[in-house]
Amino acid sequence: DQQVKQNSPSLSVQEGRISILNCDYTNSMFDYFLWYKKYPAEGPTFLISISSIKDKNEDGRFTVFLNKSAKHLSLHIVPSQPGDSAVYFCAATAINDYKLSFGAGTTVTVRA
Amino acid sequence: GAVVSQHPSRVICKSGTSVKIECRSLDFQATTMFWYRQFPKQSLMLMATSNEGSKATYEQGVEKDKFLINHASLTLSTLTVTSAHPEDSSFYICSASRAPGPETQYFGPGTRLLVL
Repeated sequence: DQQVKQNSPSLSVQEGRISILNCDYTNSMFDYFLWYKKYPAEGPTFLISISSIKDKNEDGRFTVFLNKSAKHLSLHIVPSQPGDSAVYFCAATAINDYKLSFGAGTTVTVRA
Repeated sequence: GAVVSQHPSRVICKSGTSVKIECRSLDFQATTMFWYRQFPKQSLMLMATSNEGSKATYEQGVEKDKFLINHASLTLSTLTVTSAHPEDSSFYICSASRAPGPETQYFGPGTRLLVL
């Protein structure tokens, strides 16, 4: 069963605007969440993470928000740039575990 | 740093043959390597966890006799799909971890397997 879900397979946004990617999870044991970015023909690379003790983590243009009660997290990219066009994966794990459960990914296209 | 390679990047084989996929950590030693599989429009699904010098731990529903994993050194793990069938056609991706913690997993570019 899919414990991490990204319900939007794709997102198109104009350059300079905000990209919002959503992710939902079902396993209440998850307490650490990560976002990965993947370009074609490359492996996913770590982008940003958040622990369940926080509700927000910011790194430059990327901010991840966590709503534990709703089992929902989101990634905000602002301003969006053409180089942000990629597939973004949401992943979750328990902090004392190393197994990652992934969502199906959201393809972001930033239009000039 | 932290580069992981996979070989081959694409492979086409006939049904019934075996295919070996290599995963290498190029600039670090990986005590743990992971093998994932991704079907179209689906998520990366963990197949097995491989520790150097010991037997791999397989996830529920993954046949260990079909997907043979060998982690012979700190920089190399191999996945062999034995007696491949068309339903094994998928995208196989590995990751290597150089330290405990989810953020230390570095992913390879993946291998596209097509079984005819």
